[in-house]
Amino acid sequence: GAVVSQHPSWVICKSGTSVKIECRSLDFQATTMFWYRQFPKQSLMLMATSNEGSKATYEQGVEKDKFLINHASLTLSTLTVTSAHPEDSSFYICSAVKAGLVAKNIQYFGAGTRLSVL
Amino acid sequence: QKEVEQNSGPLSVPEGAIASLNCTYSDRVSQSFFWYRQYSGKSPELIMSIYSNGDKEDGRFTAQLNKASQYVSLLIRDSQPSDSATYLCAVRGKTSYDKVIFGPGTSLSVIP
Repeated sequence: GAVVSQHPSWVICKSGTSVKIECRSLDFQATTMFWYRQFPKQSLMLMATSNEGSKATYEQGVEKDKFLINHASLTLSTLTVTSAHPEDSSFYICSAVKAGLVAKNIQYFGAGTRLSVL
Repeated sequence: QKEVEQNSGPLSVPEGAIASLNCTYSDRVSQSFFWYRQYSGKSPELIMSIYSNGDKEDGRFTAQLNKASQYVSLLIRDSQPSDSATYLCAVRGKTSYDKVIFGPGTSLSVIP
């Protein structure tokens, strides 16, 4: 199998605080992980591509200083929402691609993190 | 023009019928195509991937790809109420490093 664990599943925080979301590939190594954001009844919007050992590639319009991504190992990527505000409230989902399967780019998704900023 | 388009639905079919979901894409050099199912409040799960023209069958699911028409579809045979979900079409460009673009999704409701 290909299991991706995402933690926490739900977080409520006060405006101005920072929140860290972890994405782990449990039974495979992932050279590439993706971070998505999804608003209600909308599709997934790619925020950034995270490659192990290098800087993340952010999509146009995504503030890299606000959404800090660290991919320190082949099994872990983290997304930190800094100085969160109510408009950052959303469903954040990570996905991971198995090393060696990049050509097929089959993404395995985490369960998602629902962030609510008060 | 949006890169990946789907009818938003909702698409309603009776239990046991065939559900047909359609997707068109704008990038002619796209090479990889995926169908994901997403239940409300959950993350997407991969149903099918298809890379070459024609049909690909897996159980009750059949993906059909026509690159000339830039069209990919998903057929669900013997639809069950548990198939009720949003189905996302996803397309990747020419290289393995191209990002995957998701369509807006089609909401399917299977009526018992």
